[in-house]
Amino acid sequence: GAGVSQSPSNKVTEKGKDVELRCDPISGHTALYWYRQSLGQGLEFLIYFQGNSAPDKSGLPSDRFSAERTGGSVSTLTIQRTQQEDSAVYLCASSLSEGLGNTIYFGEGSWLTVV
Amino acid sequence: SQQGEEDPQALSIQEGENATMNCSYKTSINNLQWYRQNSGRGLVHLILIRSNEREKHSGRLRVTLDTSKKSSSLLITASRAADTASYFCATGPGGSYIPTFGRGTSLIVHP
Repeated sequence: GAGVSQSPSNKVTEKGKDVELRCDPISGHTALYWYRQSLGQGLEFLIYFQGNSAPDKSGLPSDRFSAERTGGSVSTLTIQRTQQEDSAVYLCASSLSEGLGNTIYFGEGSWLTVV
Repeated sequence: SQQGEEDPQALSIQEGENATMNCSYKTSINNLQWYRQNSGRGLVHLILIRSNEREKHSGRLRVTLDTSKKSSSLLITASRAADTASYFCATGPGGSYIPTFGRGTSLIVHP
């Protein structure tokens, strides 16, 4: 596609429910990143994919968070039993390959509000 | 831990003035990138500077890199109200594949 696409753009969910956030990276980009940004804060790294594998899951805040990537393309970030502190913007990004020598392209984010 | 930190946290200037933002980092790097984020939107790549470069220009943007001081600066010349946004630097330890971001500098340009 033309850019990184994320859905839903906004999600309000009740505490304790599960949510799925989807990221469709730029076609041909092998590296995919998930970040979380709380209001007025910087970007918190969550997980990174190279192809379908996730070499680094160190940023996932708890075992309620999981992510997968299929076909080297679409990725889904799942948050189980959501808590109010999960409220944030979840940003997905992709790049042609791994490494900071490549430009990273971001989606517009999924705004999650847990009430 | 955060690799890069921007300062100041907030900057308020008048249209036409120059805006300078700084980024300090902790360990050696191969590249450093600057990004812009409009309120509530995704980040947009502005410029990449490699560790063997000292200065780079792109339109009204000038980026410098001082690896001895582990710092970079972003200068926006002749600012416009449309430059109002948050600006982030992205770094990673040498060889790292994970871009890490600071908390950003919030720039407000008054018309």
